[in-house]
Amino acid sequence: DQQVKQNSPSLSVQEGRISILNCDYTNSMFDYFLWYKKYPAEGPTFLISISSIKDKNEDGRFTVFLNKSAKHLSLHIVPSQPGDSAVYFCAALPSGGSYIPTFGRGTSLIVHP
Amino acid sequence: SQTIHQWPATLVQPVGSPLSLECTVEGTSNPNLYWYRQAAGRGLQLLFYSVGIGQISSEVPQNLSASRPQDRQFILSSKKLLLSDSGFYLCAYDLWGREAFFGQGTRLTVV
Repeated sequence: DQQVKQNSPSLSVQEGRISILNCDYTNSMFDYFLWYKKYPAEGPTFLISISSIKDKNEDGRFTVFLNKSAKHLSLHIVPSQPGDSAVYFCAALPSGGSYIPTFGRGTSLIVHP
Repeated sequence: SQTIHQWPATLVQPVGSPLSLECTVEGTSNPNLYWYRQAAGRGLQLLFYSVGIGQISSEVPQNLSASRPQDRQFILSSKKLLLSDSGFYLCAYDLWGREAFFGQGTRLTVV
């Protein structure tokens, strides 16, 4: 049973446009959410995070939105660049002391020049 | 600053041979340590995690084992590899249960 779902395995966007990557979760105990970016043959790198007490967090071209009532978060990349082409993983951490993240299966983003 | 080292980057091993992948963390103490495997279409599968020396928790029953002989050293092992053990293995650490930092990964091919 997937507690963190990224229902789009891939996304194709033109350079300069907005990329929107989506993530849904089912566990109400999750209270901290992260996005990681992964290039082929490399380890994932942390991109941006958001706490459940917020509904938006912004860092440069990257913005994460959290809708707690819908158990949904999204990552917006504006403007998209070819170097953003990678696999993006959504992850969630529960409250209550467990530090084990639950990852989604990832979305492969391709940004066309 | 903290860094994480994982080696080797690639490995080709015959079926039935042993495996040892090593991961070390520098610049911090008492990190939480993780081994993940990335399989196509399945994302990041947590294999083992450790919150301290000698403390190993297994998430998925399999042909693999893990050990933490020192505070900042995490080893993934197998006595006899199977074809199904092929994959991309990632070591990671975190400090306060927030973002994790990953090694560069090991591409294991069992032939």
